[in-house]
Amino acid sequence: SQTIHQWPATLVQPVGSPLSLECTVEGTSNPNLYWYRQAAGRGLQLLFYSVGIGQISSEVPQNLSASRPQDRQFILSSKKLLLSDSGFYLCAWQGRGVINYGYTFGSGTRLTVV
Amino acid sequence: AQSVTQLGSHVSVSEGALVLLRCNYSSSVPPYLFWYVQYPNQGLQLLLKYTSAATLVKGINGFEAEFKKSETSFHLTKPSAHMSDAAEYFCAVSPTGGGNKLTFGTGTQLKVEL
Repeated sequence: SQTIHQWPATLVQPVGSPLSLECTVEGTSNPNLYWYRQAAGRGLQLLFYSVGIGQISSEVPQNLSASRPQDRQFILSSKKLLLSDSGFYLCAWQGRGVINYGYTFGSGTRLTVV
Repeated sequence: AQSVTQLGSHVSVSEGALVLLRCNYSSSVPPYLFWYVQYPNQGLQLLLKYTSAATLVKGINGFEAEFKKSETSFHLTKPSAHMSDAAEYFCAVSPTGGGNKLTFGTGTQLKVEL
């Protein structure tokens, strides 16, 4: 069966420090991968999505970047965190076959920038 | 392009009462529709999905939703609310077919009172 792993679960980082959040998927190949952010009271914001290795689409200009170095690995990064980067970050995967639809989400990372 | 509108960012019901969470969609092509639930500090979990089969869809935890094309709606219902249903609920839409990006609504926070 397919599983998605996201870590760490919580993170407290000072302003100006770097960030690296990792997401990996098991039990499937060539998935679509997504990064979302939830700021307090603001719903789901799509940050990045990827349809293949090295293929990243950015939805919102910001202080963050994403990479997909392997088929089932998706990394969210920042060189210098801002206070506004605080939030709940969610990774999701989606199958690409004709019978695959909807997303499966990871358990999320709560990031607090102080 | 697709979009969903969730009417009511906060809904409060008594335990044992009917739960009704509203979702209206806009889509230029036949849609797939989804309801997700999110408990505090967790990822989103799929409740149910409509993928062009039966218009009345049954999901987990006693929830169901009915696709009404004439009303462009996909409202989520549960006959009797339980305290454990307190969570945030998201409606989402995508074009039919596998591997298509979902568009999420802004979410409805459900509160269940004794």
